[in-house]
Amino acid sequence: SQQGEEDPQALSIQEGENATMNCSYKTSINNLQWYRQNSGRGLVHLILIRSNEREKHSGRLRVTLDTSKKSSSLLITASRAADTASYFCATDVAYNTDKLIFGTGTRLQVFP
Amino acid sequence: DAGVIQSPRHEVTEMGQEVTLRCKPISGHDYLFWYRQTMMRGLELLIYFNNNVPIDDSGMPEDRFSAKMPNASFSTLKIQPSEPRDSAVYFCASSLSQQGSGTDTQYFGPGTRLTVL
Repeated sequence: SQQGEEDPQALSIQEGENATMNCSYKTSINNLQWYRQNSGRGLVHLILIRSNEREKHSGRLRVTLDTSKKSSSLLITASRAADTASYFCATDVAYNTDKLIFGTGTRLQVFP
Repeated sequence: DAGVIQSPRHEVTEMGQEVTLRCKPISGHDYLFWYRQTMMRGLELLIYFNNNVPIDDSGMPEDRFSAKMPNASFSTLKIQPSEPRDSAVYFCASSLSQQGSGTDTQYFGPGTRLTVL
């Protein structure tokens, strides 16, 4: 089964609004990463947050991590039509830090 | 750097045929990963290499799938014989060795869209 599961599966908003996506995972981790995938393209890394961090910012992105709840959220502020994409969380697992396990993804649609 | 390069970008073949997908990782990266993405199963890790050595192939679905990495700049994923259920987008990704604790960022190629008729 998936290590990470995103919620919601799909999200539609208007330009200028904020978009929040959530990710839950099952096992202890060293870090959690968020990736973006435009239709027909490969995944692109957005941000990495380590297990000893609680919040991280990158431009219009804000990521939080709650290891006690095994959950993370990705907030995109002041969304743009160009933010339309699928967003995935990915975690390693504490016993094997070589590989990532990806969640199911949230499809974000931003209407102009 | 050109990023991770995959070829072909699209492949249409008939059931029973051999399919070979190719990947050139980013120069200097010592991890290479092969993933498969479908609507039903999402993104699945098939196999990964470290310094050209296969480390974990537990995600390879069947003996029909095989992967090789003869050198640091080239890897192949082969399906023989192919079946319609193999239709998916196959991604290759590469990364550097861990810089500290946890897994490093992975850089994905554009993918190969495989259709088996």
